[in-house]
Amino acid sequence: GDSVTQMEGPVTLSEEAFLTINCTYTATGYPSLFWYVQYPGEGLQLLLKATKADDKGSNKGFEATYRKETTSFHLEKGSVQVSDSAVYFCALRRRGNEKLTFGTGTRLTIIP
Amino acid sequence: DVKVTQSSRYLVKRTGEKVFLECVQDMDHENMFWYRQDPGLGLRLIYFSYDVKMKEKGDIPEGYSVSREKKERFSLILESASTNQTSMYLCASSPGGGSSYEQYFGPGTRLTVT
Repeated sequence: GDSVTQMEGPVTLSEEAFLTINCTYTATGYPSLFWYVQYPGEGLQLLLKATKADDKGSNKGFEATYRKETTSFHLEKGSVQVSDSAVYFCALRRRGNEKLTFGTGTRLTIIP
Repeated sequence: DVKVTQSSRYLVKRTGEKVFLECVQDMDHENMFWYRQDPGLGLRLIYFSYDVKMKEKGDIPEGYSVSREKKERFSLILESASTNQTSMYLCASSPGGGSSYEQYFGPGTRLTVT
């Protein structure tokens, strides 16, 4: 079945550091890939997405590239801020399937 | 803006009580979902619905049921609450058709069963 494996946390970084959160997936066909973010006390919101191989999703300084050859969708940001502290979830949605499959989430804390 | 609202942010119930969690979306979405979120386990799908009165089991349906009588409203029912159902419950909705569509989430209900 479908699965998403993401880097275990928690991750703690200093402000302005470079961020990478790894995500790899297993799915048949060519799923759409998503990163969601959950700020403290809130529900999930979409951060970025990519729907086909080599697509790059980007938003708020975050980027992720859909790599079919390595079945990966790693999240990156060049310079993190305290306001980026949140839990980040990688997810996939297979074509013809309405359901999302989520990774376990990575808690990110940015210290000033 | 898509809005998904949940009836309560925090709820405390006793073991054995029947519990109703309500979710309403205002964007005429076909699909609605209930998840529970637990530390280290991520989000797990309990039930989803792709149309009024239609439902499908997700990965962990045991101990739960759902109701969708109107398109905008999707209810999660705990028939007899137990302490292992203490969790954060998240509702989501999405348009039907097309794998590129995202799901829109409500703020969550933190349920404690004592």
